[in-house]
Amino acid sequence: QKEVEQNSGPLSVPEGAIASLNCTYSDRGSQSFFWYRQYSGKSPELIMFIYSNGDKEDGRFTAQLNKASQYVSLLIRDSQPSDSATYLCAGGGTTDSWGKLQFGAGTQVVVTP
Amino acid sequence: DTGVSQDPRHKITKRGQNVTFRCDPISEHNRLYWYRQTLGQGPEFLTYFQNEAQLEKSRLLSDRFSAERPKGSFSTLEIQRTEQGDSAMYLCASITPGSYDGYTFGSGTRLTVV
Repeated sequence: QKEVEQNSGPLSVPEGAIASLNCTYSDRGSQSFFWYRQYSGKSPELIMFIYSNGDKEDGRFTAQLNKASQYVSLLIRDSQPSDSATYLCAGGGTTDSWGKLQFGAGTQVVVTP
Repeated sequence: DTGVSQDPRHKITKRGQNVTFRCDPISEHNRLYWYRQTLGQGPEFLTYFQNEAQLEKSRLLSDRFSAERPKGSFSTLEIQRTEQGDSAMYLCASITPGSYDGYTFGSGTRLTVV
C-alpha cells in the first residue's frame, strides 16, 4: 500500500470553475503536507505547504488538512488553462526523517476553455 | 541566488557506462535531498545530506548509486554501470532544517539509458 494516495485523473475542469484535488496518507507521523504543480517534462514547483488542521489560502489556491481523517485537499479557484498540469501531494516531517517527503503519483488536471 | 541548480539538464548514455550529476543548493541551506522520478510516478526519495554528512539512504537504492557532498556545498550523484531502468528524472532540493519555506527542486537531470 502506498503511503500517499491520489486519484490519477485526468480531472477535467471548465475554465473559471473550481478544481478540487484530494490526497490521503497512511503515516500518522507525517506532520506537514505539500502541494506541487508539475508541467510535462519539468520539475515540480511548490504551490504551498500546510501543517495545521484547517485551511490555508494563497491566492487562488486553498489547502485543507484533516489529520484525524488523514486527508489533504487542494482547491484551485477560477481555474485557468495554465493550471493544466499534474498536481503532486507529499507528506513529510516525521520525527525520524524531517524533510524527507513521500509523494503520491499525482493527479492530472485539464482545464478546458 | 537564483535557487537550486542541477547539471546537466539532459544526459543520454549507453548501458553500462557511468554517469555523474551535480547539484548546487541554495547557499544558506545545509540540507540537500536527492529524488528520482520515473514517468507517471511522484518523486522517490534517494538520499539526503546535512552539511557534508550523508544521513539517510533509501534501502531501494542499489549499491551502483553513490552520492557525495564533500564540503557541505554542492553534491554529486554517481550511477555506475547504468541500466535501462535507471532512466528517470533526478531531482535535487535543499532546505534549512526546521523550515519548509522554499522546499523547492532544481530543474532536474533527465537521464536516458540506451
